[in-house]
Amino acid sequence: DAKTTQPPSMDCAEGRAANLPCNHSTISGNEYVYWYRQIHSQGPQYIIHGLKNNETNEMASLIITEDRKSSTLILPHATLRDTAVYYCIVRPPRVAQKLVFGQGTRLTINP
Amino acid sequence: GAVVSQHPSRVICKSGTSVKIECRSLDFQATTMFWYRQFPKQSLMLMATSNEGSKATYEQGVEKDKFLINHASLTLSTLTVTSAHPEDSSFYICSARYGTADGYTFGSGTRLTVV
Repeated sequence: DAKTTQPPSMDCAEGRAANLPCNHSTISGNEYVYWYRQIHSQGPQYIIHGLKNNETNEMASLIITEDRKSSTLILPHATLRDTAVYYCIVRPPRVAQKLVFGQGTRLTINP
Repeated sequence: GAVVSQHPSRVICKSGTSVKIECRSLDFQATTMFWYRQFPKQSLMLMATSNEGSKATYEQGVEKDKFLINHASLTLSTLTVTSAHPEDSSFYICSARYGTADGYTFGSGTRLTVV
């Protein structure tokens, strides 16, 4: 699986948009970008995934650059409950593969 | 849908004893489950992949005789930490695939403390 690089930590004010970057310059053509988050002392939670088009769901938006070498997860109106570690993972779809987690970004939402 | 229930959420045991952690898929059949371990302020580290009806596949450096994994049914996988030592104290998390290969759901984790 392609390697991802994320900043170790970020801060964001409550109510503002939180933009979390992820670099995946070695991504292959069939690899999807997945985002998970882990709130303290809980299991990871799926957020969103995409291949090359931008995606949006009730939790977040995912913006993938045209060359697919980087992406940004956007939480449009961050709340205190969004404080968590956010993981960006790339892997091929529809293959029974394990999810390998990097170090992620520790996002802190400040009141 | 796609809920994984993990028990217990917390357990304290004495050194030398064994502890069993259960991971159940509540509303789907999980042919593949994964077990992770997480130390404080670190990321999740994959320990093993568990396939129903067959032996688990362990990641490099994980002792298969110490961390016994059983996946005897499509809804239950268990991790048994044998002869536990204080260094085994950690947060253990299970995960299961559901639906298409795109779907992974996680248990709420088990905090193991060995005293």
